[in-house]
Amino acid sequence: AQSVTQLGSHVSVSEGALVLLRCNYSSSVPPYLFWYVQYPNQGLQLLLKYTSAATLVKGINGFEAEFKKSETSFHLTKPSAHMSDAAEYFCAVTRYNTDKLIFGTGTRLQVFP
Amino acid sequence: KAGVTQTPRYLIKTRGQQVTLSCSPISGHRSVSWYQQTPGQGLQFLFEYFSETQRNKGNFPGRFSGRQFSNSRSEMNVSTLELGDSALYLCASSFTGLAGGPDTGELFFGEGSRLTVL
Repeated sequence: AQSVTQLGSHVSVSEGALVLLRCNYSSSVPPYLFWYVQYPNQGLQLLLKYTSAATLVKGINGFEAEFKKSETSFHLTKPSAHMSDAAEYFCAVTRYNTDKLIFGTGTRLQVFP
Repeated sequence: KAGVTQTPRYLIKTRGQQVTLSCSPISGHRSVSWYQQTPGQGLQFLFEYFSETQRNKGNFPGRFSGRQFSNSRSEMNVSTLELGDSALYLCASSFTGLAGGPDTGELFFGEGSRLTVL
């Protein structure tokens, strides 16, 4: 069975500081991994996706994530937080040939001026 | 290009009633999937349809059902509503149905239908 674990339901950073949101996965087959962002009263927007083409994946809005098989991790980072990054972030996993995503419990990011 | 459209956006029902939610995918997309989002359980997969066929089903009781039409529009129905069915129901569509795949196929989400059961 596949699953993802997001460590930390809330993360607070100052504007300009490094953002690090943690995600560990469990999968018996090579996984496809995703990070999504959700702003209040909106749906989910894809930030980036790991497809095994490259371990370092660059996404939108300056976010990137690194796939580390040895650590079963896919942490999301951004060098410098912006106020507009305040939102909830979800890590998700799936297997081949489906749109069925298994989501983590989410991490709410707060950015302070 | 219009995004994924879900209707209604907000609705209030009472226990025991039934509800139908609608999802219009992005034009040309053949795959539609549904998710339930609650504060307690988070985001949980409900169904996945591809070319009118249910390809996957989540772990929900039989009161939850869905279908997809020939134009790829999808509906989900919840019968005999319970208080715990209060949630944001999200619909997502993709062209290939291969969010899990080596290409850059992407799932596009609608803004959701927020159901409150009283």
